[in-house]
Amino acid sequence: SQQGEEDPQALSIQEGENATMNCSYKTSINNLQWYRQNSGRGLVHLILIRSNEREKHSGRLRVTLDTSKKSSSLLITASRAADTASYFCATKVDSNYQLIWGAGTKLIIKP
Amino acid sequence: DAGVIQSPRHEVTEMGQEVTLRCKPISGHDYLFWYRQTMMRGLELLIYFNNNVPIDDSGMPEDRFSAKMPNASFSTLKIQPSEPRDSAVYFCASSVTNTGELFFGEGSRLTVL
Repeated sequence: SQQGEEDPQALSIQEGENATMNCSYKTSINNLQWYRQNSGRGLVHLILIRSNEREKHSGRLRVTLDTSKKSSSLLITASRAADTASYFCATKVDSNYQLIWGAGTKLIIKP
Repeated sequence: DAGVIQSPRHEVTEMGQEVTLRCKPISGHDYLFWYRQTMMRGLELLIYFNNNVPIDDSGMPEDRFSAKMPNASFSTLKIQPSEPRDSAVYFCASSVTNTGELFFGEGSRLTVL
């Protein structure tokens, strides 16, 4: 079952702009992860944020987690054409090793 | 590291034929996952193994699907007989115990005519 819902479903911005994607979930979690999938490729892990963390950075990526609102956001700063991909959030629910996936946000960076 | 290796990358077959997808996980990873991705249903977990033992196969759609992991470096997902609705991209992923971070292969795109 999918408990994560990404918003928006699709996003198209100019190169150099910032891109923000959101993820909402329904149950308590152990951690939340973001993955990127380029067209025709496998998913690549970007960043993991634990339930006791509120913000995490990795290069041009910034992830926030608000457990009271059961939501997370992924910010990509100074976007590049190579950032064009689908982005998925996945939650690890307590006492269950399975990751529960959202439907993804399709990001297009226009040159 | 070579990463997770899947084969074949593309498979086109006719309805009723047997399909075998293969996966070599990253050495030292204790968990192996098989996922299916379609436009309609997104990413679905089919089955996962821990130390070569199947832990949860509740996502396997029907008895036509079976998965094995005879050793720590090899797993197969078999569909017999295949049907057009099985057309999808099948991903294998592996993970180190308890980290939650998955490493995916490039996927096997299956088309059943």
